[in-house]
Amino acid sequence: KAGVTQTPRYLIKTRGQQVTLSCSPISGHRSVSWYQQTPGQGLQFLFEYFSETQRNKGNFPGRFSGRQFSNSRSEMNVSTLELGDSALYLCASSLSSGGFTDTQYFGPGTRLTVL
Amino acid sequence: GNSVTQMEGPVTLSEEAFLTINCTYTATGYPSLFWYVQYPGEGLQLLLKATKADDKGSNKGFEATYRKETTSFHLEKGSVQVSDSAVYFCALTRYYGNNRLAFGKGNQVVVIP
Repeated sequence: KAGVTQTPRYLIKTRGQQVTLSCSPISGHRSVSWYQQTPGQGLQFLFEYFSETQRNKGNFPGRFSGRQFSNSRSEMNVSTLELGDSALYLCASSLSSGGFTDTQYFGPGTRLTVL
Repeated sequence: GNSVTQMEGPVTLSEEAFLTINCTYTATGYPSLFWYVQYPGEGLQLLLKATKADDKGSNKGFEATYRKETTSFHLEKGSVQVSDSAVYFCALTRYYGNNRLAFGKGNQVVVIP
């Protein structure tokens, strides 16, 4: 079974631009979560999508948004990029079939650099 | 709120040495606890988990016991190998079925041959 895939793997943008990152979950998985990893703040939860609906949201500004499609693929968007948005963005998927703690499987991440 | 604290700084040890990484947590209710490992250039892999008090998670020679009385979930391995060199993260979710993970800062483990 293929793992979680994220595209692109590396991205360089300039301040003020916007960016879209993509995540394809493991086949059959309905939940997709996004995390930001930086040396200073560590791993921080951005949001989770389940069946095309945002189910959980972290403490990030509105410039960070996401969506999930009917095939469970997810995208996240960051508008008006700032230098501090430079980070590794990780996507995780799980079955989330309800009522018990699934294992979350992580993708390799997208390394975003903002210049 | 919910938070995880890991001991500060990298851990450097010789091959076949005993490894302990401390993890304590603050949470209301009955969180589920996890250890994740991140190898260079890769995403996170689940190493082990425990979903209720006194549960012991184990995998690949690593073990951790959910101690509610001390709010801890320390990671141990009896004999480390060079291939165990990685960053280890302790994490929790607020309750069974919740996918929002709160992570500790992580510990870099370097095993010297």
